Amino acid sequence: QKEVEQNSGPLSVPEGAIASLNCTYSDRGSQSFFWYRQYSGKSPELIMFIYSNGDKEDGRFTAQLNKASQYVSLLIRDSQPSDSATYLCAPGEDSSYKLIFGSGTRLLVRP
Amino acid sequence: DAGVTQSPTHLIKTRGQQVTLRCSPKSGHDTVSWYQQALGQGPQFIFQYYEEEERQRGNFPDRFSGHQFPNYSSELNVNALLLGDSALYLCASSLLWTRDYGYTFGSGTRLTVV
Repeated sequence: QKEVEQNSGPLSVPEGAIASLNCTYSDRGSQSFFWYRQYSGKSPELIMFIYSNGDKEDGRFTAQLNKASQYVSLLIRDSQPSDSATYLCAPGEDSSYKLIFGSGTRLLVRP
Repeated sequence: DAGVTQSPTHLIKTRGQQVTLRCSPKSGHDTVSWYQQALGQGPQFIFQYYEEEERQRGNFPDRFSGHQFPNYSSELNVNALLLGDSALYLCASSLLWTRDYGYTFGSGTRLTVV
């Protein structure tokens, strides 16, 4: 059973702080990793994609990948109340093009 | 550019009934995947369709079936509904055989079984 582990939270940070969201996965065959944001009552929205070890930055978001440790993280700089949502980690099975989702981490950004 | 569209948005069914959910993929996408999301959980993979064939399937019973049409749109059918089938059903489209195959999700169908 391939597993994706995320702390359910809630992770509470003050406005302007850095939010750090973590994810571990069991499938060593995963090569591509996706981060989705899901607002309450809405569908998931893709925010980041990474497949190389190291960091990938996109605006206020930075994804970090360490395949040897089977660990991927998402940093949100200058957190805003509008960032309050559940963040889903989804390693991809490149052989099947299937995404396996974690249960998500709920982020609360306090004004 | 139209994204993924799903219908209906909400549905209430009685235990034992059958339901059909519909999905039109994002323009240019050729693959449709269906997920079930229970409250407080991450999406669970049901199955994936490509070229009108089921490519792969998650751990769901045969009561869950699907179809993909030549225009890439798709249907999810659930027979003999159980109370536990109440969930948000998400359709996601993607383009196969590309490096960045991140799914684009529709807004979902909220199914309530009573």
